[in-house]
Amino acid sequence: DAKTTQPPSMDCAEGRAANLPCNHSTISGNEYVYWYRQIHSQGPQYIIHGLKNNETNEMASLIITEDRKSSTLILPHATLRDTAVYYCIVRGSVAAGNKLTFGGGTRVLVKP
Amino acid sequence: ETGVTQSPTHLIKTRGQQVTLRCSSQSGHNTVSWYQQALGQGPQFIFQYYREEENGRGNFPPRFSGLQFPNYSSELNVNALELDDSALYLCASSLFDRNTDTQYFGPGTRLTVL
Repeated sequence: DAKTTQPPSMDCAEGRAANLPCNHSTISGNEYVYWYRQIHSQGPQYIIHGLKNNETNEMASLIITEDRKSSTLILPHATLRDTAVYYCIVRGSVAAGNKLTFGGGTRVLVKP
Repeated sequence: ETGVTQSPTHLIKTRGQQVTLRCSSQSGHNTVSWYQQALGQGPQFIFQYYREEENGRGNFPPRFSGLQFPNYSSELNVNALELDDSALYLCASSLFDRNTDTQYFGPGTRLTVL
């Protein structure tokens, strides 16, 4: 699985958009970008995933660059409950192996 | 829709003992993956079970073993516990797909080895 690089931490103001960057320069054509978050001592929570196109759901938006070497997770209106560690994961197809390889993630602190 | 559940929530064992952790998959899912998360680190993949067989394994010794049952629930067994086995053990279930599958995690079991 391709390696990802994320900033170790970032702060965000409550009510503002939070933009979380992720670099995955070695991503290959059939590898998906997944985002999970983990609130202290809880199980990771699935947020969103994408292959080539930008994606949006009720939690967030995922913007993937045209060359697919980087992506941005957007939380449109951050709340205090969005404080968590956010993991960007590049995973291959099922045929290439099913595991999620977690890196260090970005520790996001939403401030009032 | 029932989410992924794990039991017990917390567990304390002593070095050398054996432990069994349990996981119930989310409704409609047929694949279970197990992860170990040491304090301050990201989860590390242990193994995955699909159709009651191991379908991939991470860098963990054989004393880590598992089972998947016909109802898709699963067990993680760890023999000869070591102090470094103290961690949060996470189970994730998914619906097997040829291209990719989204794994949904349970709340975890906190294992402390003394």
